[in-house]
Amino acid sequence: EDQVTQSPEALRLQEGESSSLNCSYTVSGLRGLFWYRQDPGKGPEFLFTLYSAGEEKEKERLKATLTKKESFLHITAPKPEDSATYLCAVQRGSGANNLFFGTGTRLTVIP
Amino acid sequence: EAQVTQNPRYLITVTGKKLTVTCSQNMNHEYMSWYRQDPGLGLRQIYYSMNVEVTDKGDVPEGYKVSRKEKRNFPLILESPSPNQTSLYFCASSLGTGNQPQHFGDGTRLSIL
Repeated sequence: EDQVTQSPEALRLQEGESSSLNCSYTVSGLRGLFWYRQDPGKGPEFLFTLYSAGEEKEKERLKATLTKKESFLHITAPKPEDSATYLCAVQRGSGANNLFFGTGTRLTVIP
Repeated sequence: EAQVTQNPRYLITVTGKKLTVTCSQNMNHEYMSWYRQDPGLGLRQIYYSMNVEVTDKGDVPEGYKVSRKEKRNFPLILESPSPNQTSLYFCASSLGTGNQPQHFGDGTRLSIL
């Protein structure tokens, strides 16, 4: 059975305190792993796509990495505006562009 | 501005009263999808469409209908809503059915009493 597990559920960081969010997955035929950011009252906003183990992507203070079993979203020197829920999703099987989501990590960055 | 637009954003209604949530995208995307988001369960796919007149079930399709008569529109229909369909609903679209990222609307909060 396909599974995506994100940890921790919630994370509080001081401004400037770097950390990592984890997304572990079990899926048949992984076609891609996606990271999204979701702010309260908004829809998820795309951050990264990773396709194969060893791949890394960076955007400002965020860096996503992928292994055969998990992905990490590293946040370097976070700022309060990085506070959001971060969602991981896998694209599975063949054919349609269907995503299977984890339940997210709610990040709070305290000034 | 490229966007996915859902209406209404909020709706409170009663059991059994048919309702439609509209979704429109202005990016000429082929693929569109509906999700519901519930606490502790994350986003779960309801239905998706790979092109006009092509729709298919996602993981939780029971109690929902969709149609795709035009490329830009993908309405979600609840013909006889029940309280267990109270949820936050998101429409999404992507350019194709490959690895393109999905773009989401801002959600519709449905409360069914």
